[in-house]
Amino acid sequence: KQEVTQIPAALSVPEGENLVLNCSFTDSAIYNLQWFRQDPGKGLTSLLLIQSSQREQTSGRLNASLDKSSGRSTLYIAASQPGDSATYLCAVRGNQGGKLIFGQGTELSVKP
Amino acid sequence: DTGVSQDPRHKITKRGQNVTFRCDPISEHNRLYWYRQTLGQGPEFLTYFQNEAQLEKSRLLSDRFSAERPKGSFSTLEIQRTEQGDSAMYLCASSSGQEPLAQHFGDGTRLSIL
Repeated sequence: KQEVTQIPAALSVPEGENLVLNCSFTDSAIYNLQWFRQDPGKGLTSLLLIQSSQREQTSGRLNASLDKSSGRSTLYIAASQPGDSATYLCAVRGNQGGKLIFGQGTELSVKP
Repeated sequence: DTGVSQDPRHKITKRGQNVTFRCDPISEHNRLYWYRQTLGQGPEFLTYFQNEAQLEKSRLLSDRFSAERPKGSFSTLEIQRTEQGDSAMYLCASSSGQEPLAQHFGDGTRLSIL
């Protein structure tokens, strides 16, 4: 059974810092991995998707990496801003059609 | 592309009542997913449709829960005889049938059981 873990559960950093969020999964047979952002009381916004054959994806100040063999992904946020404050969730898909399995999220707070 | 739309945004009801939520996926997305999220947790999968066919159901989806997607467009999720434990955010997502199969989420329906 696939399990997804995110560490740390919460993180507080001063504005301008670079930071890394971690995601690990127990079954390396994944189809893809998505990183999402969730603001309080809102739905999920897709940030980056990495296919199983890819090693990383970049969008603006965000970079996500994937190491399938070790069951790990990281989300790197450069030059953090207060507007980055949110909960970040990673999720893996085990097959082409199906469900996402989520971690519990990392709650990020960027202090001005 | 107007995004995934969910209605209502909030629902407050008494224990034992039936509730129904609606999800309108992104136009031409043939795959539709329902998830449930409780406070401080990541979303948990409930069920998945490809067009009008319900292809997968979670064990979380007890016999009090039913989902439909008539004509392969919008979907409804009904909960009968609601219980306190049903209080959660119910999220809908959709994806196209083409790579990279990214799922796009709505803002959810928050259900509170009194």
